[in-house]
Amino acid sequence: GAGVSQSPSNKVTEKGKDVELRCDPISGHTALYWYRQSLGQGLEFLIYFQGNSAPDKSGLPSDRFSAERTGGSVSTLTIQRTQQEDSAVYLCASSLGTGGAGTQYFGPGTRLTVL
Amino acid sequence: GDSVTQMEGPVTLSEEAFLTINCTYTATGYPSLFWYVQYPGEGLQLLLKATKADDKGSNKGFEATYRKETTSFHLEKGSVQVSDSAVYFCALSRAGLTGGGNKLTFGTGTQLKVEL
Repeated sequence: GAGVSQSPSNKVTEKGKDVELRCDPISGHTALYWYRQSLGQGLEFLIYFQGNSAPDKSGLPSDRFSAERTGGSVSTLTIQRTQQEDSAVYLCASSLGTGGAGTQYFGPGTRLTVL
Repeated sequence: GDSVTQMEGPVTLSEEAFLTINCTYTATGYPSLFWYVQYPGEGLQLLLKATKADDKGSNKGFEATYRKETTSFHLEKGSVQVSDSAVYFCALSRAGLTGGGNKLTFGTGTQLKVEL
């Protein structure tokens, strides 16, 4: 079956612009996670969704970052007024559940470059 | 807070050499432990996992044993191939977190280069 997909694969934007990154999880996966992979910080957790709710937003680095999930499926990560330090690869993962060691399946990522 | 420490890379080996990538963790409770692999130009893939002490995860000739007494989860392979060249990430997740979920805490990654 189809894996996790993300779009766009690459995004170049100017400092101060807003961007939206999209994640389509594996069908039926109730849990969805966003991570960020950057040279300076490695792989960091951003936010977790269970269904359409986000019980853990502890990794969002500032109030410029927000995310939503609709229909228990697609999720959008929005970064407002982008800064150069936002440049990174943004990864989305989904899993069937949250109990125990539910395997997270990762998408290919969106590479964001802020000029 | 939770943390994962893994050996610095890059690690360069000849084909058929023995591989060890060290990983240690700090976490309260009883985390689950994972190794993820990122091949060049590809996304993160789960390589293996272990959910409790003394469990051994294995896949594609790779193995790692969950050692609670040493808080370690070292990755090993007896004979590496050029196709194993990739970046390897050790990670943990913990059940019972506020808000639920099992978010992953990753190490910094270790690049492996295997040469003929």
